[in-house]
Amino acid sequence: AAGVIQSPRHLIKEKRETATLKCYPIPRHDTVYWYQQGPGQDPQFLISFYEKMQSDKGSIPDRFSAQQFSDYHSELNMSSLELGDSALYFCASSFTLGQGGPSGANVLTFGAGSRLTVL
Amino acid sequence: DAKTTQPTSMDCAEGRAANLPCNHSTISGNEYVYWYRQIHSQGPQYIIHGLKNNETNEMASLIITEDRKSSTLILPHATLRDTAVYYCIVGTYNQGGKLIFGQGTELSVKP
Repeated sequence: AAGVIQSPRHLIKEKRETATLKCYPIPRHDTVYWYQQGPGQDPQFLISFYEKMQSDKGSIPDRFSAQQFSDYHSELNMSSLELGDSALYFCASSFTLGQGGPSGANVLTFGAGSRLTVL
Repeated sequence: DAKTTQPTSMDCAEGRAANLPCNHSTISGNEYVYWYRQIHSQGPQYIIHGLKNNETNEMASLIITEDRKSSTLILPHATLRDTAVYYCIVGTYNQGGKLIFGQGTELSVKP
């Protein structure tokens, strides 16, 4: 079965540079979520999109932006990179069917992650 | 803030059942209980979810107390490959659908 595809899997950048991570959700999934997981930390929610519109926002720095495109893939753009941005970035997708979903439950499928290292 | 409390770590012998507890005393009536696990640096993997009734799938069983204030994830025959951090999460789509990860339980399955 198709899974959530993230690219690149590994990325090395210098401080103050810009990085872009891509996420291709499972076909027919309409919602995409981005999470950041620092070393030894639990995944932290950054932002989500439903049907190409931002649906929720978490602890995403102002230096970060994201969008979901017409083909439902999403990109997370990170500018003015700092050492503290070094982390695993996970994308997840779900099939929501609007408010409440078919049963109220919302199961997320995660990708393998993109590891960003800022030097 | 996370709405669940889990033990920081647990050990389990290979082949035995692993019982992972979770307290969610402030759970509201329409919130589901979800369990995910994360094997070292991999993406979190969905295990099971439930609302009120006990649930079972090919991976695990979920036992939810009648007052819904706590639950237990059961891995019936733990293997070394079940070594991971297990996260208990409560939520509902009406809260945006996102999952808020708290501190999970690091399960070590030992030979």
